[in-house]
Amino acid sequence: NAGVTQTPKFRVLKTGQSMTLLCAQDMNHEYMYWYRQDPGMGLRLIHYSVGEGTTAKGEVPDGYNVSRLKKQNFLLGLESAAPSQTSVYFCASSSSVNNEQFFGPGTRLTVL
Amino acid sequence: ILNVEQSPQSLHVQEGDSTNFTCSFPSSNFYALHWYRWETAKSPEALFVMTLNGDEKKKGRISATLNTKEGYSYLYIKGSQPEDSATYLCAFEKNAGNNRKLIWGLGTSLAVNP
Repeated sequence: NAGVTQTPKFRVLKTGQSMTLLCAQDMNHEYMYWYRQDPGMGLRLIHYSVGEGTTAKGEVPDGYNVSRLKKQNFLLGLESAAPSQTSVYFCASSSSVNNEQFFGPGTRLTVL
Repeated sequence: ILNVEQSPQSLHVQEGDSTNFTCSFPSSNFYALHWYRWETAKSPEALFVMTLNGDEKKKGRISATLNTKEGYSYLYIKGSQPEDSATYLCAFEKNAGNNRKLIWGLGTSLAVNP
């Protein structure tokens, strides 16, 4: 039982490059979330999903897209990376029972 | 705009001290209040999910209380140990049907000196 996994763990991009971050969970959770964490800002919600095939915007969705084609996976895409997207990205999942969120280990992204 | 505020921002205590911190949140449209523990270089881990006014939950030396009418929750740590050093986050979940989002506080950073 791996819980929530994220790939990659680290990545360095140049401005304008694209990439996809993968989040996978094996707990059959309905809800999945992508957050970014920046110094002094706390956790900010980028996008989330309440079920397979559905996604919704969070607080800071601009510059990001997401897809949830399978219940266990939630992908976060950056189409044209900008230095402002340098951050640590956390994925989380939760069940509809109490929404207790289980977090992945994080992805540290640097955009030069 | 929903605000979740935590105080103090940081705290240094000696091993064996008991301590507590506060989370304040909107008192309207309340659904749940979450507490998480976040150690450096790790990911946040859930401590408690509290839903009822007057709720009190306990896990080992850590306990939490909830007052939904006035919009605050306290987290208590009894007899702090160095391994309790972490950032403690609270998050407010409002009553919004299927949109199960959390509004996060900035956390209280606790350092326990041996």
